[in-house]
Amino acid sequence: AQSVTQLGSHVSVSEGALVLLRCNYSSSVPPYLFWYVQYPNQGLQLLLKYTSAATLVKGINGFEAEFKKSETSFHLTKPSAHMSDAAEYFCAVSGPDYKLSFGAGTTVTVRA
Amino acid sequence: DVKVTQSSRYLVKRTGEKVFLECVQDMDHENMFWYRQDPGLGLRLIYFSYDVKMKEKGDIPEGYSVSREKKERFSLILESASTNQTSMYLCASSQLDSFSNEQYFGPGTRLTVT
Repeated sequence: AQSVTQLGSHVSVSEGALVLLRCNYSSSVPPYLFWYVQYPNQGLQLLLKYTSAATLVKGINGFEAEFKKSETSFHLTKPSAHMSDAAEYFCAVSGPDYKLSFGAGTTVTVRA
Repeated sequence: DVKVTQSSRYLVKRTGEKVFLECVQDMDHENMFWYRQDPGLGLRLIYFSYDVKMKEKGDIPEGYSVSREKKERFSLILESASTNQTSMYLCASSQLDSFSNEQYFGPGTRLTVT
């Protein structure tokens, strides 16, 4: 079975500061990993995904994530936060059945 | 532009009512999913479907049923709505050919059962 754990339900950063969202996964097979973003009153939008092609994955809006097998982690980063990054972020892992298992989510607030 | 649409953004129903939530995708995807989203719990899978007329239970199917008569449409049914089904419901779709395919989400339906 696959699962993910997101460390920290809320993260507050200053505008221009580094954004770091933590995700650890558990998977019995080589995982496919995803980060999604949800803006208020909207559905989820894909930020990036890991499919074993490269350990450092670049996504939209300046986000990137690094897959570390030894640490079973897939942390999301953005070097400089913008006010528009305020949203809820979800890490997810795909199993051998097309289903996604989601973390509980991390809400990001950006201080001016 | 790919699109998943849901029939209502906001819905208020009374306890005991039968509720239909509709989802339509225009991407010719085989897989379709229904999730509920609750604060602190992330997204939990209710039901999913790999093909027309097929359905599989997810993690929390109790109190729900689904219908998929056409490839592009996946309906979630609450046979007798209860207050503990007040939640955000999200529909998603994906292609069948790879486990690495991302899911595309609709905007969600916020259901309140009073």
